[in-house]
Amino acid sequence: DGGITQSPKYLFRKEGQNVTLSCEQNLNHDAMYWYRQDPGQGLRLIYYSQIVNDFQKGDIAEGYSVSREKKESFPLTVTSAQKNPTAFYLCATAGTVQETQYFGPGTRLLVL
Amino acid sequence: GESVGLHLPTLSVQEGDNSIINCAYSNSASDYFIWYKQESGKGPQFIIDIRSNMDKRQGQRVTVLLNKTVKHLSLQIAATQPGDSAVYFCAEKKAAGNKLTFGGGTRVLVKP
Repeated sequence: DGGITQSPKYLFRKEGQNVTLSCEQNLNHDAMYWYRQDPGQGLRLIYYSQIVNDFQKGDIAEGYSVSREKKESFPLTVTSAQKNPTAFYLCATAGTVQETQYFGPGTRLLVL
Repeated sequence: GESVGLHLPTLSVQEGDNSIINCAYSNSASDYFIWYKQESGKGPQFIIDIRSNMDKRQGQRVTVLLNKTVKHLSLQIAATQPGDSAVYFCAEKKAAGNKLTFGGGTRVLVKP
């Protein structure tokens, strides 16, 4: 993970609440990604961004939103429309979308 | 549909022995493959990658083999150590594509 920071490590969400997960990087990477991982399963892509002020939906974007106002930051908001938000959320970055992705330490989201 | 999958969900190996983790892929258009290691509660860690113009690539104690004829990828770990206990994921990317597709993962358990 090195230059990729995710906070908080654990996050609790109440019913009907929006929560925002932080991902910051100091690697000067253009591309950033958000994945969701459920217990005992692989990673599924939520959103990705190739460059500042641009982002694309991944395979499971419903109930999530993102922004990319700065190169270093790619926050993910889990909205109340996401009915099953409990999961481990992983942020990744790459020099470009053609290059290897490196992952942050993750945020575990739990619903109260 | 197109998918990346693993043959064995759990691999138990004696400390000091070699480990082989297998992965099948179905998309012949994929040209880039990566192996990641994920320890419990942490983000995936890059291990090694290989492009489709290669059959074999070696790193420190790890070797990745690519058989394009049968669409098979393997990761070999030499002299497996307790610190190698983790879940290993393979991932593929299509040529000129922007996204990685991950397999479901194989858990490696190293017995002392």
